[in-house]
Amino acid sequence: EAGVTQFPSHSVIEKGQTVTLRCDPISGHDNLYWYRRVMGKEIKFLLHFVKESKQDESGMPNNRFLAERTGGTYSTLKVQPAELEDSGVYFCASSQQLAGVVYEQYFGPGTRLTVT
Amino acid sequence: AQSVTQLGSHVSVSEGALVLLRCNYSSSVPPYLFWYVQYPNQGLQLLLKYTSAATLVKGINGFEAEFKKSETSFHLTKPSAHMSDAAEYFCAVIRSGAGSYQLTFGKGTKLSVIP
Repeated sequence: EAGVTQFPSHSVIEKGQTVTLRCDPISGHDNLYWYRRVMGKEIKFLLHFVKESKQDESGMPNNRFLAERTGGTYSTLKVQPAELEDSGVYFCASSQQLAGVVYEQYFGPGTRLTVT
Repeated sequence: AQSVTQLGSHVSVSEGALVLLRCNYSSSVPPYLFWYVQYPNQGLQLLLKYTSAATLVKGINGFEAEFKKSETSFHLTKPSAHMSDAAEYFCAVIRSGAGSYQLTFGKGTKLSVIP
């Protein structure tokens, strides 16, 4: 069974440009999470989808970030326009869904975003 | 709010020595606790998890952790370090009963194993 995949693995863009990150969760996993690690800091939660619905987007830093999960399968995270402080590693994770049960989250390899 | 604190951003041990990575949590309700490992150029991999069952949790690759409520700790141990254990380790907490099971991570501890 394929794990969580993310594309691209690396992206280098200039300040002001737009970048779209993609995450393909494990097949059948309704929960999809985005996290980010800025250099030197801890990994921080960005948002959580259950199927195609945003369950929790309290971690999104500002309105330059837009996440979508059309059809409840893969998800995209768009940064527009990118700023220097957006540089970091963006992780995607997925897990199964059953009310009241905490399932482990499986992480992808991450996308390293560098804004210059 | 739930949080975890990992003591020591870098830990070095000799091959064959005991590995001890410290994690203390802060939670007003019974927590779910996790240890993840990140090997170079890879994603996060779950080592073990505590979900209010047995307080001593065994994980993969010979690692284990003990939940101690009185000390609010969940330290990760391995009796004998291998070179392949060199990686970054993250302690994380989920607040049980929440609608969104987001993980809150510690800052991570980089483990170096000296031959």
